[in-house]
Amino acid sequence: EAGVVQSPRYKIIEKKQPVAFWCNPISGHNTLYWYLQNLGQGPELLIRYENEEAVDDSQLPKDRFSAERLKGVDSTLKIQPAELGDSAVYLCASSLEGPSTDTQYFGPGTRLTVL
Amino acid sequence: GNSVTQMEGPVTLSEEAFLTINCTYTATGYPSLFWYVQYPGEGLQLLLKATKADDKGSNKGFEATYRKETTSFHLEKGSVQVSDSAVYFCALNRGAQKLVFGQGTRLTINP
Repeated sequence: EAGVVQSPRYKIIEKKQPVAFWCNPISGHNTLYWYLQNLGQGPELLIRYENEEAVDDSQLPKDRFSAERLKGVDSTLKIQPAELGDSAVYLCASSLEGPSTDTQYFGPGTRLTVL
Repeated sequence: GNSVTQMEGPVTLSEEAFLTINCTYTATGYPSLFWYVQYPGEGLQLLLKATKADDKGSNKGFEATYRKETTSFHLEKGSVQVSDSAVYFCALNRGAQKLVFGQGTRLTINP
């Protein structure tokens, strides 16, 4: 079974430029998550989708971050414009919905460096 | 609110040593508890989980027991290998499918 796929794996941009990350979840997983992982820290949730609906985006900085999950499968996370403090690893995860399926499966992440 | 506190790292051990990484949590109700591992250059992988008090999760020689009375979920392994070198994250899930992670503990095993 293929895991969560993310691209690109690495991205280097200059501040004020836009950037986008792509995620393809595990087939059949209807819940998708984007996490931010700063260096030396644990991941923090940015947004959670159930199918196409963003059900928890309370931690997403909406002035510069946006996300979409068209057709309830792939998802894109965008930053525009990027700031120096956005340098981090952006992780995508997916899971099956249900009370007994609380395990999330993570992709390898995209490491963003903003210069 | 919900939070997870992990043992400060980094931790360096010799091969075949006994490992303990402490994890305590704060949460209302009865969260599920997890240990995730992150190998160099890779994403987080689920190592083990426990969903209720006194449950023991185990995988690859690692174990952790859900202790409600001490709000702990310490990770243990009897004999570590060089290949166990990674960053270990304790996490809880208290409803709404929202994982809350600790800060991670970097483990290095020397041959």
